[in-house]
Amino acid sequence: DAKTTQPPSMDCAEGRAANLPCNHSTISGNEYVYWYRQIHSQGPQYIIHGLKNNETNEMASLIITEDRKSSTLILPHATLRDTAVYYCIVLAGGTSYGKLTFGQGTILTVHP
Amino acid sequence: DGGITQSPKYLFRKEGQNVTLSCEQNLNHDAMYWYRQDPGQGLRLIYYSQIVNDFQKGDIAEGYSVSREKKESFPLTVTSAQKNPTAFYLCASSISAADTQYFGPGTRLTVL
Repeated sequence: DAKTTQPPSMDCAEGRAANLPCNHSTISGNEYVYWYRQIHSQGPQYIIHGLKNNETNEMASLIITEDRKSSTLILPHATLRDTAVYYCIVLAGGTSYGKLTFGQGTILTVHP
Repeated sequence: DGGITQSPKYLFRKEGQNVTLSCEQNLNHDAMYWYRQDPGQGLRLIYYSQIVNDFQKGDIAEGYSVSREKKESFPLTVTSAQKNPTAFYLCASSISAADTQYFGPGTRLTVL
């Protein structure tokens, strides 16, 4: 599975959009981009995933560049409860089992 | 409510004792997983099960054992052979091994 690079930390004002970048320059054609987040001492929470097209759900939007070498997770209206560690993961589809490997992630702090 | 439950949230054991961590899901998922997370580190896969009555070792299976007698349940036993058992243990499940994984709240095990 391809390696990802994320900034170690980011800040965001409450009510503003939080844009979290992720680089995955060695991504392969069959690899998906997944985003999870983890609030301290809780289990990771699935946010969104995509292959080529931009995706949106009730939590966030995922923008994947045309060459698929980077992506951005967008939380449109960040709240204090969105403060967490955000993990960008690249995972091959159709694998025999989906072993998740979390890197260091981005610590997002939403402040009033 | 559908979801994944892990119990207990906090567990303390004396060194040399075996301990079993519970993981139950009512999502009708075929695949289940156990991960370990140490402070400031990512996830490491202990065991996974793609279907009832079948399970496979992950990257760090030594000192652990599992069973999958029912679709809903995937208990993890931490044996006395596990040299550093103190950690945060996370259970996850997915529709199949190639699908999105959803996590439980985790069990924090402390061996005294």
